[in-house]
Amino acid sequence: GAGVSQSPRYKVTKRGQDVALRCDPISGHVSLYWYRQALGQGPEFLTYFNYEAQQDKSGLPNDRFSAERPEGSISTLTIQRTEQRDSAMYRCASSAGTGNSPLHFGNGTRLTVT
Amino acid sequence: AQTVTQSQPEMSVQEAETVTLSCTYDTSESDYYLFWYKQPPSRQMILVIRQEAYKQQNATENRFSVNFQKAAKSFSLKISDSQLGDAAMYFCAYRRNYGQNFVFGPGTRLSVLP
Repeated sequence: GAGVSQSPRYKVTKRGQDVALRCDPISGHVSLYWYRQALGQGPEFLTYFNYEAQQDKSGLPNDRFSAERPEGSISTLTIQRTEQRDSAMYRCASSAGTGNSPLHFGNGTRLTVT
Repeated sequence: AQTVTQSQPEMSVQEAETVTLSCTYDTSESDYYLFWYKQPPSRQMILVIRQEAYKQQNATENRFSVNFQKAAKSFSLKISDSQLGDAAMYFCAYRRNYGQNFVFGPGTRLSVLP
């Protein structure tokens, strides 16, 4: 596709529910990243993939958070048993993976846990 | 772990004037990449400029240029002939090497005064 696509754009869920956030990267991009961003702050790293392999998941806050990219393209970030503190903008980004390749960001999913 | 610091939470500049945003980073690596991203009120993340650490020449992109001081681990962004559309949050980002995570600073909010 022309850019990184994330869905849904907005998600409101009740505390305790599970949510799945989807990311469709730019076609051919090797690397896919998930970030979380609070208003007025910088993106906070969660996890990233090269192809289908999860290279680093050190930023995932706890074991309620997981991500997968089974075929090396589309990725899903899943949050189980959501809590109010999970409310934030979740951003996906992809990169061609070569040295100075920048991140191309999607428009994000704004998650609100009530 | 690498860290990125932006010591100016907020800056302002008069339209048509020049402003410099500061960024410092902490790393023991010699090979890495640096980026500046712009986030306007729409909350998109837009690449402004990038720099390879092995290049001594400072990167420029139209009205945007950087002052890269490798020994000082400093990477400032200069915006010349500021325009109202430059008003945004600006994030500095560091990436160690191919396929590695991008680390973002906390951001500087730039206001452009007419």
